[in-house]
Amino acid sequence: GEDVEQSLFLSVREGDSSVINCTYTDSSSTYLYWYKQEPGAGLQLLTYIFSNMDMKQDQRLTVLLNKKDKHLSLRIADTQTGDSAIYFCAPEQSYGGATNKLIFGTGTLLAVQP
Amino acid sequence: DAMVIQNPRYQVTQFGKPVTLSCSQTLNHNVMYWYQQKSSQAPKLLFHYYDKDFNNEADTPDNFQSRRPNTSFCFLDIRSPGLGDAAMYLCATSMGGPRYEQFFGPGTRLTVL
Repeated sequence: GEDVEQSLFLSVREGDSSVINCTYTDSSSTYLYWYKQEPGAGLQLLTYIFSNMDMKQDQRLTVLLNKKDKHLSLRIADTQTGDSAIYFCAPEQSYGGATNKLIFGTGTLLAVQP
Repeated sequence: DAMVIQNPRYQVTQFGKPVTLSCSQTLNHNVMYWYQQKSSQAPKLLFHYYDKDFNNEADTPDNFQSRRPNTSFCFLDIRSPGLGDAAMYLCATSMGGPRYEQFFGPGTRLTVL
């Protein structure tokens, strides 16, 4: 099955950029997602990238995809204390029909120091 | 606002006592998913419904069952909870198919005493 790995912890200062990295094994993923989870809460979709793209920018968020190396990253510019949360990388797998399945990474805890 | 609602937010049960968790949606989505998330771990898919079609993940224990009586509601039944079933249970919905985003509810935190 698919393996999705992330570094466990990242600490940055407020105003700096954060880069969260993810590696995965299944090269057939068509869409790759980033979700944010605040303490005790559900998952919030942040952004996604289609597999034929190298980069996608969405306000403070930049997603980079290296398909050859199966590496995905999320850059948060001007990181704020409100960005402190766990970030999950989630490549999508198809069931071959009408539904898709997300394989979540191990999650990266982002701690933003004021 | 269209949303995914989970009740209760916190559930305490006793070892071996059946428990049911509830999920409802106002998005009219075809697909409803149940995930289990243990402390400091990634969410793990248990099963999903596409309309009335049930799809179980290969490694989901038999102790976990699900019902979807209509489009809006989906239930997770744990027949005999063990201590290892203590977790956050997340419900999600989507239209189905690639690129359709999954919308998550806030989760139900299950404690097993």
